[in-house]
Amino acid sequence: QKEVEQDPGPLSVPEGAIVSLNCTYSNSAFQYFMWYRQYSRKGPELLMYTYSSGNKEDGRFTAQVDKSSKYISLFIRDSQPSDSATYLCAMSTGNQFYFGTGTSLTVIP
Amino acid sequence: EAGVVQSPRYKIIEKKQPVAFWCNPISGHNTLYWYLQNLGQGPELLIRYENEEAVDDSQLPKDRFSAERLKGVDSTLKIQPAELGDSAVYLCASSASKGGGLGNTQYFGPGTRLTVL
Repeated sequence: QKEVEQDPGPLSVPEGAIVSLNCTYSNSAFQYFMWYRQYSRKGPELLMYTYSSGNKEDGRFTAQVDKSSKYISLFIRDSQPSDSATYLCAMSTGNQFYFGTGTSLTVIP
Repeated sequence: EAGVVQSPRYKIIEKKQPVAFWCNPISGHNTLYWYLQNLGQGPELLIRYENEEAVDDSQLPKDRFSAERLKGVDSTLKIQPAELGDSAVYLCASSASKGGGLGNTQYFGPGTRLTVL
């Protein structure tokens, strides 16, 4: 079993839709949870960072962590064509980092 | 502030040839990572440095891969000899510190796309 599981998609939505991206994990030692966005032929860039359970909002993006279910989510409201990218979840124990496989998202104008 | 710099951006070589990638991390970042990313996959750690010390190289195929970070700043990753299966994107990342907190958030370079023919 992989440390982090992420549905690779691809996911295609119309502009303005709400997007939900999810990851599950098995290691209860993970304390830090991140979402990275990766455009084609670019390196991943940090989008959201959360510590422990709960929600964190930043503009159109909301990151949610449920440690009891070992499940994290990223919600994108009012999705834009510029949001088209691959979204990678990442988790850390503080020393070890693990990435999901990424979900490819296309927002259609 | 300049980001993580990598060169070259693209490299095409024939199998059995050597190849080297260079990375300059964000100024002041002590921790440097090399990752391999295959198409449709997340980054997979090859090696992590704390200053000039390689603290996690368990996933580095040491028969053909080597890395160095002599002065604790920039780093070089080498493959010799390259194989067809090494075709991938090689990403370098850096962070301010290890351990928890936003301080160990990794910032990535653009990557080097390697094609082995």
